[in-house]
Amino acid sequence: AQSVAQPEDQVNVAEGNPLTVKCTYSVSGNPYLFWYVQYPNRGLQFLLKYITGDNLVKGSYGFEAEFNKSQTSFHLKKPSALVSDSALYFCAVRGSNDYKLSFGAGTTVT
Amino acid sequence: ETGVTQTPRHLVMGMTNKKSLKCEQHLGHNAMYWYKQSAKKPLELMFVYNFKEQTENNSVPSRFSPECPNSSHLFLHLHTLQPEDSALYLCASSQVLNRDSSGELFFGEGSRLTVL
Repeated sequence: AQSVAQPEDQVNVAEGNPLTVKCTYSVSGNPYLFWYVQYPNRGLQFLLKYITGDNLVKGSYGFEAEFNKSQTSFHLKKPSALVSDSALYFCAVRGSNDYKLSFGAGTTVT
Repeated sequence: ETGVTQTPRHLVMGMTNKKSLKCEQHLGHNAMYWYKQSAKKPLELMFVYNFKEQTENNSVPSRFSPECPNSSHLFLHLHTLQPEDSALYLCASSQVLNRDSSGELFFGEGSRLTVL
């Protein structure tokens, strides 16, 4: 069975400071990893994904994520946070042997 | 604009009403999904359709009835709902998930349902 953990319900960060949202996962096979963002009363928007290749993935709005196989982590990062980054962030994963996407519980960034 | 359109955006209904949620995707995808998002709870996958065939029913009560007439349209028919069914219902689409597809989902804006 595959699973995703986002250990922090809430992350507070000052504008201009670095932002990190944590995600760890468990899958069988190789992981396909995703980050989504949700603004109030909106749907989820795709930010970035890791399938294979370079462990550092760059995505929309200046976000990036680092895949760490040994720690089974895929943390989302932004070097300098903006007020407009305040939203709910979801990590998602599926294994190469699975056909369903599993979502974390979400982390609210303020 | 994500290419996935949901209507209505807001719906208020009584427990004896019958209503439907509609989803349409313009991305050429072959898989469509219904998710339920309740406050303080993780996203719940409800139904999955691949090439118009239902491939997943995640133990959803029969008062929710999905319909997928073609790969571009997905409906969720609602009848005799309960107040605890109040939530944001999200539709999503993707290429069919297999070993060769990365399978990111594209979501609509959601339909906010309130059951009185």
